[in-house]
Amino acid sequence: SSELTQDPVVSVALGQTVRITCRGDTLRSYFATWYQQKPGQAPVLVLYGQNNRPSGIPDRFSGSYSGDTASLTISGAQAEDEADYYCDSRDSSGTRFGGGTRLTVL
Amino acid sequence: QVQLVQSGPEVKKPGASVKVSCKASGYNFNTYSMTWVRQAPGQGLEWMGWISAYNGNAKYALKFQGRVTMTTDTSTKTAYMELRSLRNDDTAVYYCARGGDSPDYWGQGTLVTVSS
Repeated sequence: SSELTQDPVVSVALGQTVRITCRGDTLRSYFATWYQQKPGQAPVLVLYGQNNRPSGIPDRFSGSYSGDTASLTISGAQAEDEADYYCDSRDSSGTRFGGGTRLTVL
Repeated sequence: QVQLVQSGPEVKKPGASVKVSCKASGYNFNTYSMTWVRQAPGQGLEWMGWISAYNGNAKYALKFQGRVTMTTDTSTKTAYMELRSLRNDDTAVYYCARGGDSPDYWGQGTLVTVSS
């Protein structure tokens, strides 16, 4: 399947570490890209490639891979990290997004 | 600094067409692709396709093939996305974003409402 599957909702206590996952066969061949989207705003690129952060993205955001799963880890989650997170990756017909994960910081 | 400024909101009737523009500044327009993504109200992101500003080659998501056309005007550093035969479920915010892989700068979004 070329679909990318994400948990719809994840929560984390303030200051703790949280992992957001993205699963799909295409991730065995292609890297994932991760975006953060806050209500009423455009998405923001937070991770791409093996584990690359654009300038301005805090180093508490990191990425990893295992088999068909890509993970976005936030080490020491902050209140401002509360948002929707989307992964995307190439597939045979272009690019596909995961369904998104709503992260709540408690 | 890199900026992508999109055209304003549109209201269209079913069956009509819409053309959204995305004016780029702050970088060499010719050297990047432009990706188009849409988001229906309360829903996730949906990739529509991308176009090379260098040579005009475009790749569209299968779902939109035959109904979408993406173009660029290098003289004005503007990308366009035209969607035809609009349906109610095309109501969404449409975004342009710089780059084909891992687009790094995004426009502010254009709300297209399709309603009779």
